[in-house]
This record gives sequence, structure tokens and C-alpha cells, in this order.
Amino acid sequence: QKEVEQDPGPLSVPEGAIVSLNCTYSNSAFQYFMWYRQYSRKGPELLMYTYSSGNKEDGRFTAQVDKSSKYISLFIRDSQPSDSATYLCAVNSNSGYALNFGKGTSLLVTP
Amino acid sequence: DAMVIQNPRYQVTQFGKPVTLSCSQTLNHNVMYWYQQKSSQAPKLLFHYYDKDFNNEADTPDNFQSRRPNTSFCFLDIRSPGLGDAAMYLCATAPGLAGRETQYFGPGTRLLVL
Repeated sequence: QKEVEQDPGPLSVPEGAIVSLNCTYSNSAFQYFMWYRQYSRKGPELLMYTYSSGNKEDGRFTAQVDKSSKYISLFIRDSQPSDSATYLCAVNSNSGYALNFGKGTSLLVTP
Repeated sequence: DAMVIQNPRYQVTQFGKPVTLSCSQTLNHNVMYWYQQKSSQAPKLLFHYYDKDFNNEADTPDNFQSRRPNTSFCFLDIRSPGLGDAAMYLCATAPGLAGRETQYFGPGTRLLVL
């Protein structure tokens, strides 16, 4: 079983829609949860960072962690064409140095 | 602005011809990482440096080597590139090795092997 599972999509939504992106993970030792956004042919850019369970909001983006079910989510409200990118979830434990990435979900927001 | 810079952005090489990719950082971070990312796949860690200490991942091929001459620069050397080495190579930095540390990525170098 892979450490992090993420549906690769592609996911296509109309502008203004609410987008839900999800990952599951297998190791209960993971405590740090990140979402990176990667535009085509560019490096990943950190979007959201959360520690342990709960919600974190930043503008149109909300990250949610449910450690009991080992499930992490990223919600994008009022999605824009500029949100079109691949979204990678990543997790890490306190003792780990290497990020464990999902494969990424490709999102297309159409005008 | 503090940042992670990678050069070149695109590199074309021939099968078996050595190639070097470059990464520099102005963040003054202790840790520098090299990841390989193939199309539609998760980035895969090749190795990292904590200061001058080098750590190679167990499944990184011997064909891949790295040098870190100083805090700011790190190089990825591919001694004899094969067709399977065509990928995006990402450099990342972090203040420390603890899992809570955020990793900051460069824009990547896309390698094409002919």
C-alpha cells in the first residue's frame, strides 16, 4: 500500500464552482499535512500547511485534516481559471525528512 | 526576494552523455534536496544534504551523484543518462530536517534525453 493515495483526475469544473480535492494516507505517525500547487512545467508551490487534525482557512482555500480516518482535503471556493493546476498533497512525520507526496490531482477550471 | 533557483530550466542531452543540473538558494537553509518527478507521478526523493552531510536514498541509482560546494549551491550529476532518466528534476530547501519544516521548491529543470 502506498503511503499516500490521491486520485489523479483530471477534474474539470466551471468557474465559480466549489472544488474538493482529497488524499488518504496509511501511517498514523504523520502529523504534518501540506498542499502544494504545481502549474504546468513549474515547481511545486506551498499552498497550505496544517498540523494535526482540524481546519485551516486562507482566502478561498480551506485545508481539512481528519486523523481518525487518515483523510485530508483541500476545498477551493469560487474557483477561477487561474486555479487550473495540479494539486499535490504531502505528509510527514515528526522524525521524517522526506515528504511523502500523492501523485497529484489535475484540476481544470473552465471560464 | 529569497528563493530557490534552478539552471537550466530545460536541458537536452544525448544518451550516455554526462549532464549537470544546478540549484542555488538565497534562503540560507541547511538542507537541500533533489527530487525526480516523472510525468503524472509524485516527486521521488533522490538524496539530500544537511549542511555538508550527504544522504543517498536506498533506491537512487548509482548513475546519480550530487555535490554541495557551499551552503548556497548544490549540483546534480547524471553520469550516463538513459532514456528513463528523462524527467523534471526539482531542487528543494528547508531550514532543518525535522518533519515540521516546510520545503521550498525551485522551478525545476526538465531533462530530455535523446
